[in-house]
Amino acid sequence: DQQVKQNSPSLSVQEGRISILNCDYTNSMFDYFLWYKKYPAEGPTFLISISSIKDKNEDGRFTVFLNKSAKHLSLHIVPSQPGDSAVYFCAASEARGGSEKLVFGKGMKLTVNP
Amino acid sequence: DAGITQSPRHKVTETGTPVTLRCHQTENHRYMYWYRQDPGHGLRLIHYSYGVKDTDKGEVSDGYSVSRSKTEDFLLTLESATSSQTSVYFCAISESVYSNQPQHFGDGTRLSIL
Repeated sequence: DQQVKQNSPSLSVQEGRISILNCDYTNSMFDYFLWYKKYPAEGPTFLISISSIKDKNEDGRFTVFLNKSAKHLSLHIVPSQPGDSAVYFCAASEARGGSEKLVFGKGMKLTVNP
Repeated sequence: DAGITQSPRHKVTETGTPVTLRCHQTENHRYMYWYRQDPGHGLRLIHYSYGVKDTDKGEVSDGYSVSRSKTEDFLLTLESATSSQTSVYFCAISESVYSNQPQHFGDGTRLSIL
């Protein structure tokens, strides 16, 4: 049973526009959420995170929104740049319970066209 | 970049042979993890360690064993490799699981079992 779902496998946007990546989760015990970016032949790179006590976290061009009632989070990239083209993974954990385990979605490939 | 080195970066071997992958960190982080990444599955946790000689199973631990005799090294062993273990393996480290510290990943080992 997949606890973290990224239902769209890919997204293509124009440079300068907004990219919105979505993620849904089923485990109500998840309280810490992360986004990772991955380029080919490299390891995932941490991008941004959010705790369940917040509904928004911003870092430069990247903003993550959390809707706990809908068990949904989204990553907004504004403005999108060609260098943002990568696979993005959503991940979640039960951090307050001291869980070491991250549960990942399957990933979404973002392509930003010049 | 987090100081994580995985070796080897690529390996081709035959079914039934033992294989050991090494993860070395220079950050002195307490927690270390092994994941595998397969198409359609995202990243899945194999085993993790919360200290020297302290390890536990993840989601997909069957057929794998781990050891951690020093803080900086975490070894993943396939006792008798099977073709289903062909994958990309990632090591990750984290400083704490209680203060919302993200995991940081190495660049992976691509393992092919023929």
